[in-house]
Amino acid sequence: DQQVKQNSPSLSVQEGRISILNCDYTNSMFDYFLWYKKYPAEGPTFLISISSIKDKNEDGRFTVFLNKSAKHLSLHIVPSQPGDSAVYFCAASAYAGKSTFGDGTTLTVKP
Amino acid sequence: DTAVSQTPKYLVTQMGNDKSIKCEQNLGHDTMYWYKQDSKKFLKIMFSYNNKELIINETVPNRFSPKSPDKAHLNLHIDSLELGDSAVYFCASSQEIGGAYEKLFFGSGTQLSVL
Repeated sequence: DQQVKQNSPSLSVQEGRISILNCDYTNSMFDYFLWYKKYPAEGPTFLISISSIKDKNEDGRFTVFLNKSAKHLSLHIVPSQPGDSAVYFCAASAYAGKSTFGDGTTLTVKP
Repeated sequence: DTAVSQTPKYLVTQMGNDKSIKCEQNLGHDTMYWYKQDSKKFLKIMFSYNNKELIINETVPNRFSPKSPDKAHLNLHIDSLELGDSAVYFCASSQEIGGAYEKLFFGSGTQLSVL
């Protein structure tokens, strides 16, 4: 049972434009959500997170939106830069210590 | 200084062999994990240790045995390797602060290929 889904395996955008990566979850017990970025041959690195008591969290060019009723979250990157090209993983937690990951979206930002 | 380091980076071995992957973190975190990334790219948790105590043990074959000699180290030993064990294995650590969830810090991964 895949509890966290990223339905777009890949996304390509032009430099300077907005990138929107989506994530859906099924477990209503999840109350903390994170996004990680992964470059080839490296481990994932934390990007941004959001608690279920919020619907938006912003950090520089990165904003995460949470829609609890739809069990959907999205990551917005504005403006997109070539260095943002990576695999992005969405993760969700129901309690500390166990994150359930989606299968990733490969973002390509074209110069 | 690498925060979470795991060795080896690549491991190629024959079916039936026994192998170990080592992980060390210098962040002072209390909790360490092993995640497996299979061919479908899912990152799935295998084990979690908090201060050397096993706290999460997902449905993983008994051939996989984690060992935590101290809170800075979490090694993964795999007996009788099978073709299906081929994957990338990631070590990670985190620090829970006041009951709040904390982000994971990952190692760079070990690419295991079983021939």
